[in-house]
Amino acid sequence: DQQVKQNSPSLSVQEGRISILNCDYTNSMFDYFLWYKKYPAEGPTFLISISSIKDKNEDGRFTVFLNKSAKHLSLHIVPSQPGDSAVYFCAATGTYSGAGSYQLTFGKGTKLSVIP
Amino acid sequence: DGGITQSPKYLFRKEGQNVTLSCEQNLNHDAMYWYRQDPGQGLRLIYYSQIVNDFQKGDIAEGYSVSREKKESFPLTVTSAQKNPTAFYLCASSIVGAEKLFFGSGTQLSVL
Repeated sequence: DQQVKQNSPSLSVQEGRISILNCDYTNSMFDYFLWYKKYPAEGPTFLISISSIKDKNEDGRFTVFLNKSAKHLSLHIVPSQPGDSAVYFCAATGTYSGAGSYQLTFGKGTKLSVIP
Repeated sequence: DGGITQSPKYLFRKEGQNVTLSCEQNLNHDAMYWYRQDPGQGLRLIYYSQIVNDFQKGDIAEGYSVSREKKESFPLTVTSAQKNPTAFYLCASSIVGAEKLFFGSGTQLSVL
């Protein structure tokens, strides 16, 4: 039972255009969401996060939008650059996870290719 | 530079053999985690530890064991009971109570 779903395994975008990566979740107890970026044979690196008390969070070229009623979030990258080509993982967690340690539930990832 | 070091980068296991993956961090984080990634799949939690000498099973702990004798170190042993060990293994750490994880560069384990 996948609690975090990234339904697009891959996405291709022209350099300079907007990349939109989508993520859906089913667990209504999730209240914090993160995006990680991963290059091949490397560990994921944190990109941006959003709490359920917000509906938008921006950091430079990256913006995450959260629609709680639809249990949907999206990552927008504007403008897209060739260096953004990587796999992007959506992750979610909730304060119910237990005292002191948050267990992240990850989606399967979306491979973004930015074409020069 | 602070960070998480995983070794080796590549590891091969013979049938019936136990192998141990190393994870060391100098971020002074109390919480450490082991994840497994299979091709086309998300990361799945194997074990995690919030404090020295204590650890909990994640979603897929069967066939794995861990120890946490030092704050900086959280080695993972893949035992012979793990029938499908080929995967990319990722170690992570965090401040206790924080959602943001810091990951190592991973170990690719393959079966000979």
